[in-house]
Amino acid sequence: QQQVKQSPQSLIVQKGGISIINCAYENTAFDYFPWYQQFPGKGPALLIAIRPDVSEKKEGRFTISFNKSAKQFSLHIMDSQPGDSATYFCAASMGYSTLTFGKGTMLLVSP
Amino acid sequence: NAGVTQTPKFRVLKTGQSMTLLCAQDMNHEYMYWYRQDPGMGLRLIHYSVGEGTTAKGEVPDGYNVSRLKKQNFLLGLESAAPSQTSVYFCASSYSMGTGATETQYFGPGTRLLVL
Repeated sequence: QQQVKQSPQSLIVQKGGISIINCAYENTAFDYFPWYQQFPGKGPALLIAIRPDVSEKKEGRFTISFNKSAKQFSLHIMDSQPGDSATYFCAASMGYSTLTFGKGTMLLVSP
Repeated sequence: NAGVTQTPKFRVLKTGQSMTLLCAQDMNHEYMYWYRQDPGMGLRLIHYSVGEGTTAKGEVPDGYNVSRLKKQNFLLGLESAAPSQTSVYFCASSYSMGTGATETQYFGPGTRLLVL
């Protein structure tokens, strides 16, 4: 049973547009929600993370929105750039558990 | 610092052959992980270790074995490779595991394995 559902699988956005990737989880015990970014041929790297005590976290052009009641969180990339083209993974964990990753979203930002 | 390194970068095996993937980290992290990445499947945890001499099963451990004899190294073994093990394997490490700031996982560059 997949515990973190990520959508869409792929996304094409024009340069300057807003990219939005959504994740939903089932386990209400999850208390840490990171996003990882992976460029082709590289390993994933932490992009931004949020905890359920806040509804939004912003770092530069990247924002996580968190809706605890809906058990959803999303990544917004403002002013998307071709250099943002990558695969994005949401994940979740609870307490001292390992991370559970979503299946990933391949983002292409067209020039 | 090199961070997390993986050896080899690419390998082709025949069905039934064995091999060991090596992961090394120079960040003095306690926790290490092995994942496999397949198209449309995301990152799936194979095995992990919470410290030298310890290992634990992840989501997809069958067909793999691991060892953590030294804190900085985490080995992933395939005793009898199968075509279903064709994948990209990533090693990661973290200072801790949980909900603190130190739980960030640092990934290696990956090993591409093709089993014929």
